[in-house]
Amino acid sequence: QVQLVESGGGVVQPGRSLRLSCAASGFTFSSYGMHWVRQAPGKGLEWVAVIWYDGSNKYYADSVKGRFTISRDNSKNTLYLQMNSLRAEDTAVYYCARGGGATTVWGQGTLVTVSS
Amino acid sequence: DIQMTQSPSSLSASVGDRVTITCQASQDISNYLNWYQQKPGKAPKLLIYDASNLETGVPSRFSGSGSGTDFTFTISSLQPEDIATYYCQQYDNLPSYTFGQGTKLEIK
Repeated sequence: QVQLVESGGGVVQPGRSLRLSCAASGFTFSSYGMHWVRQAPGKGLEWVAVIWYDGSNKYYADSVKGRFTISRDNSKNTLYLQMNSLRAEDTAVYYCARGGGATTVWGQGTLVTVSS
Repeated sequence: DIQMTQSPSSLSASVGDRVTITCQASQDISNYLNWYQQKPGKAPKLLIYDASNLETGVPSRFSGSGSGTDFTFTISSLQPEDIATYYCQQYDNLPSYTFGQGTKLEIK
């Protein structure tokens, strides 16, 4: 069964860091590009970052560039999002998703709340 | 960066109605356009990719068309289970994969 499971969300103070993980199973993880997409409470979807299947290319939304880092460990079938210098506006459900242009498999999401 | 303008932002229709949502890109994106469905509390689901291709397992009442800057998403006969928010997304202009603002679809 193809599955993505996010973890690592929680409540964090502004300015602090958090690392999200996304565990993949049921498919050849190393063959796919992977994305992080977030959704603030009651708002629409916002693309955050993408990493190529082999980690050779990484791209970020302007809103997180320089603060967030996407990475992957193909030996562990796991995607990561390192989030530094967190702000209140980073509060959202964070989804990992499989795919290049079209994302065909999504995780259930993990909630990150940035609050003092 | 490419901007995606989706309309309407909300829509009320009756079961059996034909429903149309539009998405306009701020510049030519060829056919690099996806449509997603998101139900409350759930992750988005891909319905249409490359503007007009139906994802496997998606009912045929869903369809997409367009190229360049203007795109249309259609539900030919609205069903109660189609109540959701729908998003377009472009992926022509790296490094951004911009989503539209979303269209919340309700039953009249």
